Amino acid sequence: GIQVEQSPPDLILQEGANSTLRCNFSDSVNNLQWFHQNPWGQLINLFYIPSGTKQNGRLSATTVATERYSLLYISSSQTTDSGVYFCAVESYTGANSKLTFGKGITLSVRP
Amino acid sequence: NAGVTQTPKFQVLKTGQSMTLQCAQDMNHNSMYWYRQDPGMGLRLIYYSASEGTTDKGEVPNGYNVSRLNKREFSLRLESAAPSQTSVYFCASSDYTGAGGYTFGSGTRLTVV
Repeated sequence: GIQVEQSPPDLILQEGANSTLRCNFSDSVNNLQWFHQNPWGQLINLFYIPSGTKQNGRLSATTVATERYSLLYISSSQTTDSGVYFCAVESYTGANSKLTFGKGITLSVRP
Repeated sequence: NAGVTQTPKFQVLKTGQSMTLQCAQDMNHNSMYWYRQDPGMGLRLIYYSASEGTTDKGEVPNGYNVSRLNKREFSLRLESAAPSQTSVYFCASSDYTGAGGYTFGSGTRLTVV
C-alpha cells in the first residue's frame, strides 16, 4: 500500500515563528488532505489539496503531485496552533476510496 | 450543524464484553469509514463502506464487525473486547465525487480492562 511519511516528527516553536511541515508519499494519489488534531482530540480538516497551492489565513499548503510531496506552512504561529498535524492521501480502487494517514507531526507553540 | 456524529464519547469495557459504536452522518455522503488511532501510529483504517449495502476490510479488521444500516448510519461492533482494542475510534464520511474530502466525527475513547 501507499506509504506516507511526515517530518519532522516533533516541532517546538516560539509564538510568532514560522514553520514548514512536510509530507512525502510513495505512489500516485488522487487527493491529499491536511488535518489538525487539537488537544481535545478533534480532527479538523485544514486543506483538501490534490495539487497546487491554497491559503487560509496564516496557513497555506502546497502539493507537488509529480514529486509526491506536500508542504504545510504556518506563519506567525500562535499557541492555539499546538496539536498534531496529519497528512492523509486518498487513493481510489474502482468505486472505493481510501485515506491513508501519516503518523503525524506534534507541534508545540510556546508563549 | 451538518457533520458526523459518534456515540458514545467514552466507554470502559471488561475483557470479553461486547459493544457497538454508532455513527451517523447528515451530509448525504456515499462512503463511510471506521478508523482507530493509537499513540505514534496515526489513524489506521478498520472497515469502510463505499455505498449502502457494501462493506470492506481495511488495514486492521480483526476483532471487529460493521453494519451499514442505511446511507446515514455505519456501526462498528466489538464482539469480545480485548485490551489490544483500547484506542480512540473515529468515524468518517466522504463524497466519492472528491469535492470535499473526508469529514470526521469527534471520536470515541474506548478502554478495555
